[in-house]
Amino acid sequence: KQEVTQIPAALSVPEGENLVLNCSFTDSAIYNLQWFRQDPGKGLTSLLLIQSSQREQTSGRLNASLDKSSGRSTLYIAASQPGDSATYLCAVSGGSYIPTFGRGTSLIVHP
Amino acid sequence: KAGVTQTPRYLIKTRGQQVTLSCSPISGHRSVSWYQQTPGQGLQFLFEYFSETQRNKGNFPGRFSGRQFSNSRSEMNVSTLELGDSALYLCASSLRSPGSRENIQYFGAGTRLSVL
Repeated sequence: KQEVTQIPAALSVPEGENLVLNCSFTDSAIYNLQWFRQDPGKGLTSLLLIQSSQREQTSGRLNASLDKSSGRSTLYIAASQPGDSATYLCAVSGGSYIPTFGRGTSLIVHP
Repeated sequence: KAGVTQTPRYLIKTRGQQVTLSCSPISGHRSVSWYQQTPGQGLQFLFEYFSETQRNKGNFPGRFSGRQFSNSRSEMNVSTLELGDSALYLCASSLRSPGSRENIQYFGAGTRLSVL
């Protein structure tokens, strides 16, 4: 059974810092890994999707990497802003096509 | 283009009742998935529909059911509600078929269900 762990569970940083959020998974037989952000009481917004054959994806200030062999992905946020405050979740999809989500990292960026 | 629309946004029910939640996917999307999110269990997969057929099902009791219509709109039903069913229910739609490696999911804002 796939298990997804996200570390840290919570993070509070001053504006402008570069951040690294971590996601680890137990079964490396995945098709893709997706990073989402969730604002309080709202749905999820897809940030980046990395296919199993890819090593990284970039979108603006966000960069996500994937190391299947070690079962790890990182989400790098450059020059953080207060608007980045949200919960960040990663989800992996494997042979069953059912995505497994981590519990998320709650990020607060204060001015 | 309109996003994923879930109705209603909030619901209050009592134990033993049943409830139906609705999800309208993004136009052109044929795949719809449902998730339950609680503080204790996090985000858990309920089921996925593609072209009116259930393609995958998570580990939930039979009280949880769903269906998809020919216009891709989907409903989920929970019968004999329990206190533990209180949660945020999220619907997601995607353009590609299930199992596609590029299956980016777009989520609705969710339905907040409270069972008293």
